Amino acid sequence: KAGVTQTPRYLIKTRGQQVTLSCSPISGHRSVSWYQQTPGQGLQFLFEYFSETQRNKGNFPGRFSGRQFSNSRSEMNVSTLELGDSALYLCASSSGGATDTQYFGPGTRLTVL
Amino acid sequence: TQLLEQSPQFLSIQEGENLTVYCNSSSVFSSLQWYRQEPGEGPVLLVTVVTGGEVKKLKRLTFQFGDARKDSSLHITAAQPGDTGLYLCAGGRAGGTSYGKLTFGQGTILTVHP
Repeated sequence: KAGVTQTPRYLIKTRGQQVTLSCSPISGHRSVSWYQQTPGQGLQFLFEYFSETQRNKGNFPGRFSGRQFSNSRSEMNVSTLELGDSALYLCASSSGGATDTQYFGPGTRLTVL
Repeated sequence: TQLLEQSPQFLSIQEGENLTVYCNSSSVFSSLQWYRQEPGEGPVLLVTVVTGGEVKKLKRLTFQFGDARKDSSLHITAAQPGDTGLYLCAGGRAGGTSYGKLTFGQGTILTVHP
């Protein structure tokens, strides 16, 4: 079974631009969670989607948004990029139960100049 | 706030030594997952524990979930250079506002020298 895939793997943007990241979950998984990982803050939860609905959201500004499609693929968008948005963005998929194991993708490394 | 305190933050040891990484919280978690992460890559799952007092073994790695489900430990026996990496514990909770959210510890950077 194929794992979680994320595209692109690397991205360089300038301040003020917007970016869209994509995540394809493991086949059969209906839940996709997104995390931001930085050296100073570690892994922080952004949001989770299940069956095209956002079920949970972390403490990030409204510039961070996401969506999920009927095939469970998910995208996250960051508008008006700031230097502090530079991070490794990770998505994880699971079956959707509250305590189900999450399996992570390789991440997208975003650099904001 | 559900915090997971992970210690130590850094660990530098010689090949063949044993080590233990701790993950502690004041909150109860329904599940506890341990991951290992290489630089620039996503975390790779090592184990999931869900029952208080549960012990799981994965070759030279032993994982334990505390009886009260507030703490966990990872013990590595006879560490090898291939064990080098970032080890992360992550707790999950049941309940509507916790769906899809793992709370992560700060991580332990392990370096095993040949």
